[in-house]
Amino acid sequence: NAGVMQNPRHLVRRRGQEARLRCSPMKGHSHVYWYRQLPEEGLKFMVYLQKENIIDESGMPKERFSAEFPKEGPSILRIQQVVRGDSAAYFCASSSLGGMGTEAFFGQGTRLTVV
Amino acid sequence: GQQLNQSPQSMFIQEGEDVSMNCTSSSIFNTWLWYKQDPGEGPVLLIALYKAGELTSNGRLTAQFGITRKDSFLNISASIPSDVGIYFCAGQGGSEKLVFGKGTKLTVNP
Repeated sequence: NAGVMQNPRHLVRRRGQEARLRCSPMKGHSHVYWYRQLPEEGLKFMVYLQKENIIDESGMPKERFSAEFPKEGPSILRIQQVVRGDSAAYFCASSSLGGMGTEAFFGQGTRLTVV
Repeated sequence: GQQLNQSPQSMFIQEGEDVSMNCTSSSIFNTWLWYKQDPGEGPVLLIALYKAGELTSNGRLTAQFGITRKDSFLNISASIPSDVGIYFCAGQGGSEKLVFGKGTKLTVNP
């Protein structure tokens, strides 16, 4: 029973390029959450998606960042025209139900480095 | 926005000692969660608390949901070397998103 799978584990991009981060939730999970973690910091919420719908994107920057969770395939977090400040670890979590008190399981993260 | 204050920031202890860490918030949370993160890995859920006053154990770990719903603590008894890592508290308020503390880095000396 595979856990939450994220790829790539490490991603290096030059300033101005695009970064695409993928997340395959646990089997049977239809709720996906993306978080960003800077060094020595806790995780910061970015966006919450249910299949084909964005439920809450209050933590995601309005420009350059977008997220999707199509009917088929993984959830994608897309960062256009990356800047050095986008360097961070990006974690995806999934749960079987939405709503408060639902336990979410995290992937191993994608570490993005912008050079 | 909601913020969690987690303390201490770091702890250096001897194997066999007990450990205590806590989180406080200026706002109420409906759920408190404690996670452990190893270097290069994602957070792993240790304990989930759903009711004010609830005290829950998971092996050598014990956590409590404060009666005011604004705080929680995690205790680890008889620490062992594999307890090394960063421990995060997380709260869930009026929405599905989790608010994380900044973490407590635990070092256990054999």
